Amino acid sequence: DVKVTQSSRYLVKRTGEKVFLECVQDMDHENMFWYRQDPGLGLRLIYFSYDVKMKEKGDIPEGYSVSREKKERFSLILESASTNQTSMYLCASSLSSDLTSKETQYFGPGTRLLVL
Amino acid sequence: AQSVAQPEDQVNVAEGNPLTVKCTYSVSGNPYLFWYVQYPNRGLQFLLKYITGDNLVKGSYGFEAEFNKSQTSFHLKKPSALVSDSALYFCAVRDAYTGFQKLVFGTGTRLLVSP
Repeated sequence: DVKVTQSSRYLVKRTGEKVFLECVQDMDHENMFWYRQDPGLGLRLIYFSYDVKMKEKGDIPEGYSVSREKKERFSLILESASTNQTSMYLCASSLSSDLTSKETQYFGPGTRLLVL
Repeated sequence: AQSVAQPEDQVNVAEGNPLTVKCTYSVSGNPYLFWYVQYPNRGLQFLLKYITGDNLVKGSYGFEAEFNKSQTSFHLKKPSALVSDSALYFCAVRDAYTGFQKLVFGTGTRLLVSP
């Protein structure tokens, strides 16, 4: 079974703090994704990565950055946390970077972040 | 641009009755369509997907979905609902030729199955 783990289930941070959310997958997947989930808005893609050290902006990248130094690990960074970044953050991975791949994305359990 | 609509915020059904959760999509090319389920305080779990072939797709936990190209729909169905099916359901789509498997998700539909 594919396993995607996230470093924290719950986090409480203060406005202005630098926040790191870590995601690790154990299936040698090439693609990794960061989403945020908000009620009534569904999942929105923040950033994704299709290879080590490669990253692409998603639909809502403002206020976030990412790092992928190793294939299995994809980090989401909030340089200066703000209250509007309070949300559920979900990491996902998928196998192939082939443009026409039919692979499914596999999700981690999520990190619920509260910024005070 | 790709998009997905889930027109119902919530669906209520009695245990043992059939259920349908609706999804319509818009893509410029051929669609790949997915359903995911999210139980409380959990991540998303994959249920089923449509790529090509039979319009009726069978997935996990007895769920199935019907792809209808003319109506651009991909409704999730189950013949007999269980209380344990109560969860948040997301439909997602990607264009078959969009790079890097980016999915666009709907806003989610909460399913409540009453005993």
